[in-house]
Amino acid sequence: QSVLTQPPSASGTPGQRVTISCSGSNSNIGSNTVNWYQQLPGTAPKLLIFRNDQRPSGVPDRFSGSKSGTSASLAIRGLQSEDEADYHCSAWDDRLNGWVFGGGTKLTVL
Amino acid sequence: QAQLKESGPGLVKPSQTLSLTCIVSGGSISSGSYHWNWIRQSPGKGLEWIGEVDHSGGTNYNPSLKSRVTMSVDTSKNQFSLELSSVTAADAAVYYCARSYYSANYRSWFDPWGQGTLVTVSS
Repeated sequence: QSVLTQPPSASGTPGQRVTISCSGSNSNIGSNTVNWYQQLPGTAPKLLIFRNDQRPSGVPDRFSGSKSGTSASLAIRGLQSEDEADYHCSAWDDRLNGWVFGGGTKLTVL
Repeated sequence: QAQLKESGPGLVKPSQTLSLTCIVSGGSISSGSYHWNWIRQSPGKGLEWIGEVDHSGGTNYNPSLKSRVTMSVDTSKNQFSLELSSVTAADAAVYYCARSYYSANYRSWFDPWGQGTLVTVSS
């Protein structure tokens, strides 16, 4: 049972816009910034979004993040086949004094 | 550009201790305000943070694993290690090491990550 809640799956067709939600509580998302990781099949997770809405160098601007209260969202516009991956949200939890993750969302490009 | 790589046995017997090492290249493990983390992913499951260690050996563990986890750092070899005792089948997972930055009141994100190493628990 993950501390942060994500939908287990999401899907879209090429060119569409898809959003993935991440729900937490006051001790994690409500108090700290949210990061998103992309995990392509058979590979290690890679930083996709940091500090709620910042993109590391090299990440296309098709990817965007947002946060409101105790929830966060990852949006992907202009969906491409290479976006098919697992997406994980994460935040520091002040009550647990540690990092917590969502269960991950498997994105399928139809 | 720092790079991390995990190493260690891919097979551990139940009740024994899992031991992994993460070698850091492209930067000193002693430089900056970094935490060196272990994160695992059970087959088909989400990510689970195991714990963190800083360059001076200060540690912080996931409360759910704290009684079985020991993390250490070897600055002379630019590497850090994980020991997980009394393993069971539930500990079978891909284990990743990752770096995070911290300051007085801020925790950043995990970047970069190692490639991961699969650990199987079986007699």
